[in-house]
Amino acid sequence: AQTVTQSQPEMSVQEAETVTLSCTYDTSESNYYLFWYKQPPSRQMILVIRQEAYKQQNATENRFSVNFQKAAKSFSLKISDSQLGDTAMYFCAFTERGGYQKVTFGIGTKLQVIP
Amino acid sequence: DVKVTQSSRYLVKRTGEKVFLECVQDMDHENMFWYRQDPGLGLRLIYFSYDVKMKEKGDIPEGYSVSREKKERFSLILESASTNQTSMYLCASSHDRLGGSYNEQFFGPGTRLTVL
Repeated sequence: AQTVTQSQPEMSVQEAETVTLSCTYDTSESNYYLFWYKQPPSRQMILVIRQEAYKQQNATENRFSVNFQKAAKSFSLKISDSQLGDTAMYFCAFTERGGYQKVTFGIGTKLQVIP
Repeated sequence: DVKVTQSSRYLVKRTGEKVFLECVQDMDHENMFWYRQDPGLGLRLIYFSYDVKMKEKGDIPEGYSVSREKKERFSLILESASTNQTSMYLCASSHDRLGGSYNEQFFGPGTRLTVL
């Protein structure tokens, strides 16, 4: 069974600074997807960024980028130029490339951006 | 705009009551999911459905059942609510996979259920 571990329950960052959220996972699969989801306070969960395991290049989406280390089974999220709207719970997640889209989530990291 | 709606944002029920949580999506998605979200435990999959009248157990199906009579609607049923089912319930939907590709899951706003 796949597991996703987020070891930082809470983090804070000053506005305009950079912060990195950590995630490790365990799987015996070779083809899979990894994701970071964002859940703002009292708002819906949305997808921030995704990475396909067979792609060497790290994914980026504007101020969000990942550091994907396949051998180490590590998938961290870097948020540059942090904004107040980045305050949210962030969930790391995993799904196999084949089969149904069953997604395994980590327990989340609560990020507070401080003005 | 993509939309997943859930019937209630907040719900209070008594132990032993039968509880229905409804989820509707307007994107013609094949897949629908019910998750439970608890602090320190993240999101855990209760059930999912990949087609009308089809369902698969997730990681924590005990005490729950589901119904999918129409493509756009996926219901979660607590046959006899218990206090340990007090939680946030999230519904999600996605298109079916084609050739191993991934299609994003879209989430509803959640239903915070309290069982007294």
